[in-house]
Amino acid sequence: AQSVTQLDSQVPVFEEAPVELRCNYSSSVSVYLFWYVQYPNQGLQLLLKYLSGSTLVESINGFEAEFNKSQTSFHLRKPSVHISDTAEYFCAVNTGGFKTIFGAGTRLFVKA
Amino acid sequence: NAGVTQTPKFRILKIGQSMTLQCAQDMNHNYMYWYRQDPGMGLKLIYYSVGAGITDKGEVPNGYNVSRSTTEDFPLRLELAAPSQTSVYFCASSVTGDTEAFFGQGTRLTVV
Repeated sequence: AQSVTQLDSQVPVFEEAPVELRCNYSSSVSVYLFWYVQYPNQGLQLLLKYLSGSTLVESINGFEAEFNKSQTSFHLRKPSVHISDTAEYFCAVNTGGFKTIFGAGTRLFVKA
Repeated sequence: NAGVTQTPKFRILKIGQSMTLQCAQDMNHNYMYWYRQDPGMGLKLIYYSVGAGITDKGEVPNGYNVSRSTTEDFPLRLELAAPSQTSVYFCASSVTGDTEAFFGQGTRLTVV
């Protein structure tokens, strides 16, 4: 069965510092991978996704994630965070079926 | 550009009461989902639907029911509310089962 582990429940970081949110998954078949962001009192929205092709994917607001098949990881990174990046981030995996499995979430808190 | 609309946003129920959470999408998506989100637990799939007239159970279906009479609407019914159903509920839709999901704003339900 597939599963998703987000290794950090909370990540505090100072503004303009780099950040990495870690995500590992388990699956015996090919996967599609997603990062979603949830701002306070809102629903989740897609940040970026890996379906196939280049293992490095980027979002429009400076986040990137790299699919590492050998390590079964899909870590999310940003070289310089802003206060507005404060949110909860969810890693998710789908193996081509009807169901997407979500991780428990990582709360990113950016401090001034 | 409405996307996925959920009503109500907040609700307090007494133990044993029933209610229906409404969800509507205007993107003509075949796939629709109901998730519940509990602190530190990520999102758990309650029910999903792959098209009008077709529904199936997710990970945590007990205590809930759904119907899908049209492509647009996917209501979630709670019968005999229990404190364990206190949660934030999200409805989502997608084009296919393995593509990105679009989420509603959520319904915060408290059962007392």
